[in-house]
Amino acid sequence: DTAVSQTPKYLVTQMGNDKSIKCEQNLGHDTMYWYKQDSKKFLKIMFSYNNKELIINETVPNRFSPKSPDKAHLNLHINSLELGDSAVYFCASSSRGNSYEQYFGPGTRLTVT
Amino acid sequence: GQQLNQSPQSMFIQEGEDVSMNCTSSSIFNTWLWYKQDPGEGPVLLIALYKAGELTSNGRLTAQFGITRKDSFLNISASIPSDVGIYFCAGQGSSNTGKLIFGQGTTLQVKP
Repeated sequence: DTAVSQTPKYLVTQMGNDKSIKCEQNLGHDTMYWYKQDSKKFLKIMFSYNNKELIINETVPNRFSPKSPDKAHLNLHINSLELGDSAVYFCASSSRGNSYEQYFGPGTRLTVT
Repeated sequence: GQQLNQSPQSMFIQEGEDVSMNCTSSSIFNTWLWYKQDPGEGPVLLIALYKAGELTSNGRLTAQFGITRKDSFLNISASIPSDVGIYFCAGQGSSNTGKLIFGQGTTLQVKP
């Protein structure tokens, strides 16, 4: 069974479009995260949710909006996509008692043309 | 903001050799973690360190939390081809939000 899953694996779209990436975890964790990995492999946190409540919101453009329908899901919606949004986006989760040991999904490679 | 400097940036070694990489910070971290990322996959947690001076092993991997709490290193002994990948250090500061700061990564290539 996959612990943290993301869909789609690959997403190619044009500038100006709106797209969503879905994430689900079956680990029973309370906290979920979105990370962005750029072309130089640098990983940076974007958001985190604890039991549907926003905990971390880094300086991410308003075009990015996370949505957590329940504690097992954290989706990322991106409006008006730009070329610079091209990256690999990773979802991760951790338990309430240990927020540092984070388990990552396989990633979604977003390409904006 | 807090930053981590990870070195070396890349390594190309012969199978069977030992590998060492490290991470330094200008500020104190309360937790250090080491992750490995295979191509096309997400990072996988290798070792977590919670106390200054702590030395922890996971198979052929050994990591230490520096006494000053501003550095950590990871050693891999007797490398094998499947050790290939990108190794990231990550640190957690004083806040309890789960926010991890990642190093730039060390790309390891192993020649059979």
